[in-house]
Amino acid sequence: GAGVSQSPSNKVTEKGKDVELRCDPISGHTALYWYRQSLGQGLEFLIYFQGNSAPDKSGLPSDRFSAERTGGSVSTLTIQRTQQEDSAVYLCASSQGATGLPLHFGNGTRLTVT
Amino acid sequence: AQSVTQLGSHVSVSEGALVLLRCNYSSSVPPYLFWYVQYPNQGLQLLLKYTTGATLVKGINGFEAEFKKSETSFHLTKPSAHMSDAAEYFCAVSVRGNLIFGKGTKLSVKP
Repeated sequence: GAGVSQSPSNKVTEKGKDVELRCDPISGHTALYWYRQSLGQGLEFLIYFQGNSAPDKSGLPSDRFSAERTGGSVSTLTIQRTQQEDSAVYLCASSQGATGLPLHFGNGTRLTVT
Repeated sequence: AQSVTQLGSHVSVSEGALVLLRCNYSSSVPPYLFWYVQYPNQGLQLLLKYTTGATLVKGINGFEAEFKKSETSFHLTKPSAHMSDAAEYFCAVSVRGNLIFGKGTKLSVKP
């Protein structure tokens, strides 16, 4: 398929462990976004990559969160020393240009921290 | 910095009634505005978008939204609700590429 692919679809981890979430954007899309969706919180912006520019990290909630985008394609969101409040669905989206028009979303990774 | 406020986390309407979901934005430059819909257990889909030009934009499934700069609003409407419209709706604003979402409004449709 040609859509945004995220893996794993579900992840259960113990508190204190590190996790890595992967996103494969649509081929040729230069912009890539990570969001977190929690009950009652809507979609919380985490980080935005656009081409070779420095990423906009203004939404990362703490220094336990980081993300990389290698070769302008695949992105990995890493959460270190997970906490129970990190439990949420992590959504990745990509778009063709620098204007957010339109975003194509993956199905998300549901993270549960026990 | 831009922001989005959706009034009402939960809206309930009867089938056939008007749907009105409210969205107000804050932006220091002309924004691009979007509505996305998320059906139960599904991903987000683009419903409609405003970039430039006509301020009344039409989207899928009979929805439309009007950009009102003076009111900094982009409310979503549909004349007659269907049961299949039950979903969560997200308003979003884009300035220089970064897309910020509101907290969402869950729409329930009663028979």
